[in-house]
Amino acid sequence: SQELEQSPQSLIVQEGKNLTINCTSSKTLYGLYWYKQKYGEGLIFLMMLQKGGEEKSHEKITAKLDEKKQQSSLHITASQPSHAGIYLCGADIHTNTGFQKLVFGTGTRLLVSP
Amino acid sequence: EAGVAQSPRYKIIEKRQSVAFWCNPISGHATLYWYQQILGQGPKLLIQFQNNGVVDDSQLPKDRFSAERLKGVDSTLKIQPAKLEDSAVYLCASSLDGVIYEQYFGPGTRLTVT
Repeated sequence: SQELEQSPQSLIVQEGKNLTINCTSSKTLYGLYWYKQKYGEGLIFLMMLQKGGEEKSHEKITAKLDEKKQQSSLHITASQPSHAGIYLCGADIHTNTGFQKLVFGTGTRLLVSP
Repeated sequence: EAGVAQSPRYKIIEKRQSVAFWCNPISGHATLYWYQQILGQGPKLLIQFQNNGVVDDSQLPKDRFSAERLKGVDSTLKIQPAKLEDSAVYLCASSLDGVIYEQYFGPGTRLTVT
């Protein structure tokens, strides 16, 4: 079965600093999704990456999928308190039902100190 | 557009008791998912419905967990009897037609089993 490992598990950064979160897969990634979760809330979809070498940005968040398609990184530039939360990567698993299924990583808890 | 609704938001029960969670997906969404998120881990898919039929329940502990989706709209997840290790956040999500990146998540129900 596919497993996703995220690093670091937790991160405290000073406001304004840059940071990177990594997601490493045990198998080739066909679709990689990044979500953000705030305490007491559900997951919010951030970005989807499908092609090796693909890079997407939204506001100050940039995600990349490496060429070999087994690792993705999420980079936040000039972090703000609003970036605090748990970041989760998810991999697209194709099942024999014909429906897609998501397997999630272990999560990275981000705190941004003022 | 109203989001995915879940109730209750919090529940504390003793082990061996029963508990039920309710989910109301976004109107018109055919696919409904229940995830279990244990503290410090990513969400794990328990069961996926397409309309009122089960697509995937391979990770649902069927000896104690059950779920139904009457009339292809609302869904209920039940645990009977609960164990200490069932303490987790139970997330419900829905999508229009099984598209992974179009899943919308509810706020979750936090279950504590004592």
